[in-house]
Amino acid sequence: ETGVTQSPTHLIKTRGQQVTLRCSSQSGHNTVSWYQQALGQGPQFIFQYYREEENGRGNFPPRFSGLQFPNYSSELNVNALELDDSALYLCASSLETRVGLAGANVLTFGAGSRLTVL
Amino acid sequence: QKEVEQDPGPLSVPEGAIVSLNCTYSNSAFQYFMWYRQYSRKGPELLMYTYSSGNKEDGRFTAQVDKSSKYISLFIRDSQPSDSATYLCAMKVDQAGTALIFGKGTTLSVSS
Repeated sequence: ETGVTQSPTHLIKTRGQQVTLRCSSQSGHNTVSWYQQALGQGPQFIFQYYREEENGRGNFPPRFSGLQFPNYSSELNVNALELDDSALYLCASSLETRVGLAGANVLTFGAGSRLTVL
Repeated sequence: QKEVEQDPGPLSVPEGAIVSLNCTYSNSAFQYFMWYRQYSRKGPELLMYTYSSGNKEDGRFTAQVDKSSKYISLFIRDSQPSDSATYLCAMKVDQAGTALIFGKGTTLSVSS
């Protein structure tokens, strides 16, 4: 069973540019969430995707957008990068179900993509 | 006031010590409480998952939830150098859905 994989692991962009981060879900998981973790802070929820649709969003502007593909992998896109976007971007997958399955609705995180905006 | 408060530390203890990590929260609707461990340059990994008030034990780790005080704790017994990491508390309102609210994390260092 493979875990959550993210790419790239590190990248450097300049202010105003656009970036795409990628995530492959853990096998058997149907939901992907993205979190932003600034240095010295806890992760902050950006949004969640279920069945290829956004299914919940945190307090992030529209220039943060995403996609989920039929194989449950996902992308996070950030347009018009700002200096404050520098952070570790974490992808987490889970099996979302309202049936009481053991281990359901629990997040498994990837190692993250560290973005530096200059 | 932030929804979840957690002292960032750092906390330094000798090997074998009992470690107590804590979070307070303001939203009384939180029902599901988690502790994640995050090693440097890694993503968070789930340590403990509890529902509502009470205690849960798993090996050297014990999680406590006191909903009346809006206070959760993680105890680590017989701490090891491999426990050196950042510990994040997290919580949510519903079982379904994954919009976790995290604390800032407490950095723990266990010296041999």
